Amino acid sequence: QQQVKQSPQSLIVQKGGISIINCAYENTAFDYFPWYQQFPGKGPALLIAIRPDVSEKKEGRFTISFNKSAKQFSLHIMDSQPGDSATYFCAASSYGAGSYQLTFGKGTKLSVIP
Amino acid sequence: DGGITQSPKYLFRKEGQNVTLSCEQNLNHDAMYWYRQDPGQGLRLIYYSQIVNDFQKGDIAEGYSVSREKKESFPLTVTSAQKNPTAFYLCASRDRSSYNSPLHFGNGTRLTVT
Repeated sequence: QQQVKQSPQSLIVQKGGISIINCAYENTAFDYFPWYQQFPGKGPALLIAIRPDVSEKKEGRFTISFNKSAKQFSLHIMDSQPGDSATYFCAASSYGAGSYQLTFGKGTKLSVIP
Repeated sequence: DGGITQSPKYLFRKEGQNVTLSCEQNLNHDAMYWYRQDPGQGLRLIYYSQIVNDFQKGDIAEGYSVSREKKESFPLTVTSAQKNPTAFYLCASRDRSSYNSPLHFGNGTRLTVT
């Protein structure tokens, strides 16, 4: 059962363009939505995160948009750069039975071409 | 520098052999996790541990075993019962005392079984 659906699977954007990655979830118990960035041969690292009581969060060129009623959230990368080429994972967390659970989407491989 | 060390980076084994992947952290985190990453499959949780001497099965625990004898260490054994063990394995930890604190990942071990 895939609880967090991420699209597209891969994305090619020209330098300076906007990269958009979308995620949808079903479980209304999720209460925190982080995005992780992973470079080849490395482990993922937290990029940006949002709580469901906020509709948008911006950090530099990275913005999360959150639509609670639609149960969707997205990552926008403005002025995309070749150094942004990586795999991006959306995730959703919930806390239950004494443990923190993080469910990941399947990832989007972003390639930014010069 | 605090962080998570996974070793070795690459590991090769023959089918039918058990193999143990090492994970050490010096972040003083109580919680540790093992994920498996396959192309197009995202990150799938194998096992996690909230405290020393305690661990729980994740979504794909069959064919794997773990131990948590020390706070800093969370080794994963891939047994011969795991039907498709070739994958990229990621260890992570987090600070349980802070709600929604991020996962910190190691740089992974790529296991190839032939």
